[in-house]
Amino acid sequence: ILNVEQSPQSLHVQEGDSTNFTCSFPSSNFYALHWYRWETAKSPEALFVMTLNGDEKKKGRISATLNTKEGYSYLYIKGSQPEDSATYLCAFILTGGGNKLTFGTGTQLKVEL
Amino acid sequence: DSGVTQTPKHLITATGQRVTLRCSPRSGDLSVYWYQQSLDQGLQFLIQYYNGEERAKGNILERFSAQQFPDLHSELNLSSLELGDSALYFCASSAGQTSYEQYFGPGTRLTVT
Repeated sequence: ILNVEQSPQSLHVQEGDSTNFTCSFPSSNFYALHWYRWETAKSPEALFVMTLNGDEKKKGRISATLNTKEGYSYLYIKGSQPEDSATYLCAFILTGGGNKLTFGTGTQLKVEL
Repeated sequence: DSGVTQTPKHLITATGQRVTLRCSPRSGDLSVYWYQQSLDQGLQFLIQYYNGEERAKGNILERFSAQQFPDLHSELNLSSLELGDSALYFCASSAGQTSYEQYFGPGTRLTVT
């Protein structure tokens, strides 16, 4: 069974803190890694899709890196705000698997004032 | 608003019954995906269609089936429903077959009593 692991499971930070999460995935037959942001009572929202080793992507205060050789990705949030409170999911796709995303269980972030 | 629509929003039905969930992808997207989120599990991939053809299959039960129509909307049929089928069912769409961001609909909450 091929799984993706995310850590930590949950995180409480203060407004203005910078934080990061880890996503570990199988490095064999890797095709793509997705990050999603999922707020309570809403649907998952795409943040990044990364495919190349060494990829770095940025959207506002959020950025992500990818290491396909060792099978991990980091998501960084700079200067956390209360509106960043959400569950952050990563998911991987293997070659030959169509676009089948295998999701982790996510990191739940709570940003407090 | 992702541009993906799902109906109905909520569905309550009895064990043994059959239901149909409907999804309309974003304009121009050719791929449609179905996911299940149960209380005790993360997002589980069920099936992907691309331009009317099945492209990838996850752990979809034999009691479940799906199709994508010429107008690209998709339906997920769930039959002989069991209590354990109670879950949130998401539909997502993307432009292509692989490595594109997936845009999630608001989900259908199915309750089997």
